[in-house]
Formats: sequence, structure tokens, C-alpha cells
Amino acid sequence: KAGVTQTPRYLIKTRGQQVTLSCSPISGHRSVSWYQQTPGQGLQFLFEYFSETQRNKGNFPGRFSGRQFSNSRSEMNVSTLELGDSALYLCASSFGLAGNEQFFGPGTRLTVL
Amino acid sequence: KNEVEQSPQNLTAQEGEFITINCSYSVGISALHWLQQHPGGGIVSLFMLSSGKKKHGRLIATINIQEKHSSLHITASHPRDSAVYICAADGGATNKLIFGTGTLLAVQP
Repeated sequence: KAGVTQTPRYLIKTRGQQVTLSCSPISGHRSVSWYQQTPGQGLQFLFEYFSETQRNKGNFPGRFSGRQFSNSRSEMNVSTLELGDSALYLCASSFGLAGNEQFFGPGTRLTVL
Repeated sequence: KNEVEQSPQNLTAQEGEFITINCSYSVGISALHWLQQHPGGGIVSLFMLSSGKKKHGRLIATINIQEKHSSLHITASHPRDSAVYICAADGGATNKLIFGTGTLLAVQP
């Protein structure tokens, strides 16, 4: 079974631009969660999608948004990029609604200049 | 105070040593996850446990629900165990995880 894939793996943007990151979960998994990892804040929860519905959202500004498609693939978008958005963005997929092992993708490293 | 605390933050061990990483949490959980992150970013799930003890190879994870404490043990440590180990609390209602700050482990040959 293929693992969780994320594209692109690396991205360089400038302040004010917007970016879209993609995550393809393991086949059969319907839940996708997104996390941001920075040296200062560590790993923080962004949002979670299940069956195309956002079920939970972390404490991030409205510039951060996401969606999930009918094939469970998910995208997250960050608008009006700031220097502080530079981070590793990880997605994780799991089978069910809650209480499941999560399988992480390799991450997208975003650098904002 | 963070909802999930780990100790130590950094750990250096000699090959073959027995290693313990601790995790304390203040939130209600349905499960506690132990994750491993190697340089470059990839995260691997090691354990998900809600009670007692689990063992996989040289790795052992224990949890005490009453004391809100979990430990990850590595027996006969090896340089390839060098990584960041992260514990994460799973509240159970959704798949949202609350992470500890991680323990950077370096095992020297």
C-alpha cells in the first residue's frame, strides 16, 4: 500500500504571496489532519477533515484554510504569506473518525522570503 | 504550562545503554501516541496506547492513566535510534493530536 504523499516537497515563496499544499492519504483512509512544525512552536494542529467536512480547527488565523475532496485528497492554502509561516507542513491520514493510528507524510518545507 | 510535557529535552547515550523518555500530560486522553522523527522531517508512528504496556522489538512504551504519565524505553540502544521522539495526546473525540516538545536523542557508537 502506498504511503501518504505530499506535494510539493519544497517551496520558496515571498511575503504576500499565497500557496497551496497537497496531501494524498493512504488508500481507504478518510481522515486527513494537517500540522505545522516550527523550531519555536514545535508541532501544532492546523485542521482535520473527514469525508470532505472540516471537523476541527486549530488556533491559526483565517489565512490558513483547507479542503478535502471526494477521493479524500486534501489541500491546504495559506494566503498573504508572512515570514513566520516558514515551516514544515505535515499531513497525516487515518482510517476512522477518532482514536486511530495516524500515518504521516514526508512534509512540505515552506520558506517565505 | 504546556498540556503535554516531555523530559529530557536532549539526551546523549552510549551505544548499548538503556534509555527512558518521559511524557506527562494534563488533558484527558483516549490514547497516547509515541512518534519518531528523523532528520529531514519524516514522522513514524511507534506506538498508540491507552493502557498498560506495549513492546515492539527493542522499544517499550508504558502508560499510567491515573498519574497521566507515559514512558518510552529503548533497550540496547544503537546509533540508528538517534532521532527526535515525540509524545502526543489524543483526546479521542477527533484525530487532533497535542504534541510534546520532543526529545532529541543522540546515541554515540
